[in-house]
Amino acid sequence: EVQLVESGGVVVQPGGSLRLSCAASGFTFDDYAMHWVRQAPGKGLEWVSLISWDGGSTYYADSVKGRFTISRDNSKNSLYLQMNSLRAEDTALYYCAKDAAYGSGSYYDYWGQGTLVTVSS
Amino acid sequence: DIQMTQSPSSLSASVGDRVTITCQASQDISNYLNWYQQKPGKAPKLLIYDASNLETGVPSRFSGSGSGTDFTFTISSLQPEDIATYYCQQYDNLPRFGGGTKVEIK
Repeated sequence: EVQLVESGGVVVQPGGSLRLSCAASGFTFDDYAMHWVRQAPGKGLEWVSLISWDGGSTYYADSVKGRFTISRDNSKNSLYLQMNSLRAEDTALYYCAKDAAYGSGSYYDYWGQGTLVTVSS
Repeated sequence: DIQMTQSPSSLSASVGDRVTITCQASQDISNYLNWYQQKPGKAPKLLIYDASNLETGVPSRFSGSGSGTDFTFTISSLQPEDIATYYCQQYDNLPRFGGGTKVEIK
């Protein structure tokens, strides 16, 4: 059974930093690209970042480019999102999502339950 | 950036009704369009991929069609358990979601 379990979400002050993690199981992790998708309270889905199967290619939404860094450790079946210079508008539930392909993104066939990041003073 | 315009933003229909949601891309995205269902308090669930392919285990009352810039998602006979918000998502370029359609029972 595929499982994606996010962790690391907390309340953080504006300008602060945070690292989210996603532990994957039930599939061959290094065969697939992975994504972070977020959802602000009461709002729609927003794609945040994508990393290819080997970590060699990464992509970011304009809203987080230069502030967030996606990475993965295939030896630990884990995905990460380093979030710096956090802003109030980064407040959201952050989902880890498995891509159905290995490269530059297609569709998300599995999702975690999300971890909540709140940016507030 | 490719923009996705999804409509309507909400709708109310009766059990058994046919429900249609549209998604329009700002440029040609071929068939690189997916549809997700999100129930309150839950993670999104993939229903349709590549415009018209039904994900395994998804009821056949759900369907998708279209290519290029105009896409349609249909529930052939609305059921109470279909109450949710539905999102389209393109992946021709960097992924982007539509604004969502909240479906309620009349």
